Amino acid sequence: DTGVSQDPRHKITKRGQNVTFRCDPISEHNRLYWYRQTLGQGPEFLTYFQNEAQLEKSRLLSDRFSAERPKGSFSTLEIQRTEQGDSAMYLCASSSNEWAGDTEAFFGQGTRLTVV
Amino acid sequence: AQKVTQAQTEISVVEKEDVTLDCVYETRDTTYYLFWYKQPPSGELVFLIRRNSFDEQNEISGRYSWNFQKSTSSFNFTITASQVVDSAVYFCALSEGRDSSYKLIFGSGTRLLVRP
Repeated sequence: DTGVSQDPRHKITKRGQNVTFRCDPISEHNRLYWYRQTLGQGPEFLTYFQNEAQLEKSRLLSDRFSAERPKGSFSTLEIQRTEQGDSAMYLCASSSNEWAGDTEAFFGQGTRLTVV
Repeated sequence: AQKVTQAQTEISVVEKEDVTLDCVYETRDTTYYLFWYKQPPSGELVFLIRRNSFDEQNEISGRYSWNFQKSTSSFNFTITASQVVDSAVYFCALSEGRDSSYKLIFGSGTRLLVRP
């Protein structure tokens, strides 16, 4: 396994358009996370999946954001009606369930979104 | 409320110098986990070290060492004999045991520049 992969790496979109990002976690990992990172800041938690169930959403995840993990494997994050404030790096991470607190999360390289 | 503070926004050192990155955390939980991640220009967050709240033993792993002190809520990270390839942004992160998602709460990062 080559780690967590995210697609696309970069996305430029016009304000008001919809965008969708994909994350493929490490295959045996059942925990999947989405984070958002703006310039000069640390990543901020957006949402968490345990297998296919979305168990937690941050208040940062407005109604324009939706995430899915339909078969408990890959996940998608969709942003509808993008705004300039959505410009950020979107990071996906996965970890195994075994003794979850004491295992590290593995991150993908992120999708950098620019809304013009 | 949980919080991670990295007061050093940027550090510049000359190659082969030792450098310590500071991290102060806040949590009301008695079980928690602390992490250091490195983010090179490529964007991917790379796991470096992890410590749980029950283990204050400080260790050395190659050129990396850490100093975990519960009394001062600090989890400092030292790179010995720094190298140019160590140049990156370093993030300290916290996850809480009572949070079943084990999501990470990140500091704002410290940018390390190692000059040849």
